[in-house]
Amino acid sequence: DIVMTQTPLSLSVTPGQPASISCKSSESLLHRDGKTFLSWYLQKPGQSPQLLIFEVSNRFSGVPERFSGSGSGTDFTLKISRVEADDVGIYSCMQNLQYPFTFGPGTKVDIK
Amino acid sequence: QQQLQESGPGLVKPSETLSLTCTVSGGSISSPLYYWAWIRQPPEKGLEWIGSIYHRGNTYYNPSLQSRLTISVDTSENQFSLKLSSVTAADTAVYYCARLRYDFSTGLGNYFDPWGQGTLVTVSS
Repeated sequence: DIVMTQTPLSLSVTPGQPASISCKSSESLLHRDGKTFLSWYLQKPGQSPQLLIFEVSNRFSGVPERFSGSGSGTDFTLKISRVEADDVGIYSCMQNLQYPFTFGPGTKVDIK
Repeated sequence: QQQLQESGPGLVKPSETLSLTCTVSGGSISSPLYYWAWIRQPPEKGLEWIGSIYHRGNTYYNPSLQSRLTISVDTSENQFSLKLSSVTAADTAVYYCARLRYDFSTGLGNYFDPWGQGTLVTVSS
């Protein structure tokens, strides 16, 4: 199985400041057709996960522009340009290059 | 806007079978664009993909659960279901159903959206 790791596991951010979460995979997530199958999810308190980013850097419909994804191969980053109070929750990366799909352990983001 | 809703018992005894159903509304489960998936989250732990099914019945299971797992689809009812046998306390989790976007160029699932609200299943005597 592809193992996903995330750092940090918790993050406390001042509103208006940037935040960055790293995600690493144990194998390259690059498919032979050129796509990279890495996505990011946010689970707000008391809610089910919601999709933020797919294929490394594609913001899903309705996701604010302050969220961006980058990376390649085995190293990926989710950035929030200016954190807002509504951004609190657990952020998880996921690989769907191969079965079984696997998630990172999650990064808990809260507001200072 | 498609919506998914999990249903089933919230308490299951050890060694018995956990059964959940996901009802899809706002669109057909037979769409060629999507797989349908089960994902779970044990208390205070990360997300675990359980398995996925296509409307034609093609299934992909997590090997860690495969020997105990059956996922099926009922296109007439616009539902898909999960059965997990011989459960233990380790199967206690919030169980989510989700739609998995199918990527035609790779034959893989691309991302999960939307998700159901989740249902807590506790395994206890």
